Amino acid sequence: KQEVTQIPAALSVPEGENLVLNCSFTDSAIYNLQWFRQDPGKGLTSLLLIQSSQREQTSGRLNASLDKSSGRSTLYIAASQPGDSATYLCAGTYSGGGADGLTFGKGTHLIIQP
Amino acid sequence: DAGITQSPRYKITETGRQVTLMCHQTWSHSYMFWYRQDLGHGLRLIYYSAAADITDKGEVPDGYVVSRSKTENFPLTLESATRSQTSVYFCATSPVTGTGELFFGEGSRLTVL
Repeated sequence: KQEVTQIPAALSVPEGENLVLNCSFTDSAIYNLQWFRQDPGKGLTSLLLIQSSQREQTSGRLNASLDKSSGRSTLYIAASQPGDSATYLCAGTYSGGGADGLTFGKGTHLIIQP
Repeated sequence: DAGITQSPRYKITETGRQVTLMCHQTWSHSYMFWYRQDLGHGLRLIYYSAAADITDKGEVPDGYVVSRSKTENFPLTLESATRSQTSVYFCATSPVTGTGELFFGEGSRLTVL
């Protein structure tokens, strides 16, 4: 079974800082990787989707990278704001895994201090 | 644009009772999924469906039943609820699998007493 690990489990930083969230996976045969945001009591919102042929994706202050050879993905958040406080999850889809091939990490709980 | 609607959002039931969680989508996405989210376990796939009348088991299917007679609906039934099924249940959809984004509903919080 594929494993996706997110470290740290929780992170608290002052407003305005740039920060990096990490996601590692055990199998380099990853097909794509998605980053999600989850607010308390809410569902998951897709932030960025990186296909296997891509190395990174950007949306506003967010940049996600994918390095299949090292089994890592990072989510970079620039100029953090209190509204960025949420749990961030990554999920990988594996080649040939079909619809059940999506494996989630357990998330990083991010707090941005005003 | 409602997207994905889950109902009920909150449900309290007793052990042994049957419970059905509803999921309705307005996008006509082919794929639909049911996940449960628990502290310490993260998100785990219960069942998924590639199209109407096509369903398959995920990682934790025991105790659950699904059906998909119409593309837009994917109900999840707990035939005889147990306390271990206390969880938050998320329905998700995707236009394609493997390469497509996953879109989630707001979740249904189920408590089994």
